[in-house]
This record gives sequence, structure tokens and C-alpha cells, in this order.
Amino acid sequence: IAGITQAPTSQILAAGRRMTLRCTQDMRHNAMYWYRQDLGLGLRLIHYSNTAGTTGKGEVPDGYSVSRANTDDFPLTLASAVPSQTSVYFCASSAGSSGVDEQFFGPGTRLTVL
Amino acid sequence: RKEVEQDPGPFNVPEGATVAFNCTYSNSASQSFFWYRQDCRKEPKLLMSVYSSGNEDGRFTAQLNRASQYISLLIRDSKLSDSATYLCVPLGRGFKTIFGAGTRLFVKA
Repeated sequence: IAGITQAPTSQILAAGRRMTLRCTQDMRHNAMYWYRQDLGLGLRLIHYSNTAGTTGKGEVPDGYSVSRANTDDFPLTLASAVPSQTSVYFCASSAGSSGVDEQFFGPGTRLTVL
Repeated sequence: RKEVEQDPGPFNVPEGATVAFNCTYSNSASQSFFWYRQDCRKEPKLLMSVYSSGNEDGRFTAQLNRASQYISLLIRDSKLSDSATYLCVPLGRGFKTIFGAGTRLFVKA
């Protein structure tokens, strides 16, 4: 593994189903982030974690939950998916724990909720 | 005023042209500033960071104006491969990361 990996690459999901998007980094970065990107809009922060064991809400957290049990993994869960959650989801990480460092992104997960 | 504003473009320029983008931000507490490049349906990749007044890397120059709260990106001698969307992001303590929506650039032969 080099950098950040995300799984799955893409997914079609029925509304109401539960889904977990996986994110793993091998850079020993302290901070990790989840963004969604919709056509015509910029990246919007869903949740973040500045260090293992802590998480925080971003701009659009409703309908999503995260956990940070260890440094490397930061899964994003949709408890009951809705069509408005159709989007491209990017995971990112940064070295520091203050939020001012450059962020490195994973390749993204394309999620379609029908 | 939006927290981060960019002209969405698109900017259509011929090869070899010089093109400049501006990005304005509203949070005066922002401490670090970055330009990312995003190709269609791909993840954003860091292009340049701007920690003081400016930074230059080959054909790319980024400048920061704290008083007026904007950062700019200048691309000289544009290449076809420069076609992409350019995102700016000012960062401050607190993890309230706000990315600009991006400026689309098309470089034509």
C-alpha cells in the first residue's frame, strides 16, 4: 500500500441500505478527512479526525458517521442511504493534527443510491 | 460572501498562453494556502502551497495577498496537459476546511 486507498471504487446501493466506505492510509498521518463532491460544487467536508480516537463534524455531517479506532483507518458509514447521498466520496489525510497541513487524497468512491 | 470564491470559468486558452486565476477567501485567520489540480473524475492533487507572499515552481507561480484576502495562480506557457480544474483552499486551525468550487481550464492546440 502506498498513500491512501479507498474501497469500493464504485457502488450502486438501494435506498435504505447501510453502507460503509473504507479508507486506509500508510503514511502515519495524524489527521484524516471525508469529503463529498457533487457536480458543480466543490469538495464539502463531512467528518474529520485530527488524531486516532477523536472525530469531528464538518460542513455536511447529517446521515453519516465515522470512527477512528487506529491511525490508519477511517471508515465512513451511511446508516440508511438516501438518493441525495449519491456523490463521489474522497478520503484525505494530513500529517499534522492542527488542520493547516496539505492534504493527500485517495482515488475516491463513486456511490449511486437508487 | 462565500468563504472561498473562485471564477468557475471555463478559461479557454491556446497553447503557450499565460493564464491567471484568483481565489478570494473570507476567513482572515487562514494560515496556509494551497492550490490543487483535479482532472476529470480523479482525486485532487497538490499543485502548490503558499505559506508567505508567494511561491514559484517552474511555469507556475502562486501569490498571496493577505490584506486583500486573495491568492492567485499564474500559469505561463500553457500546455495541453494543464487542462484541468484548479481548486484553492485556505486552511486555518480548527479543521473547517472549505475548498473553492474550482476554476476549469481548457488549453487548446
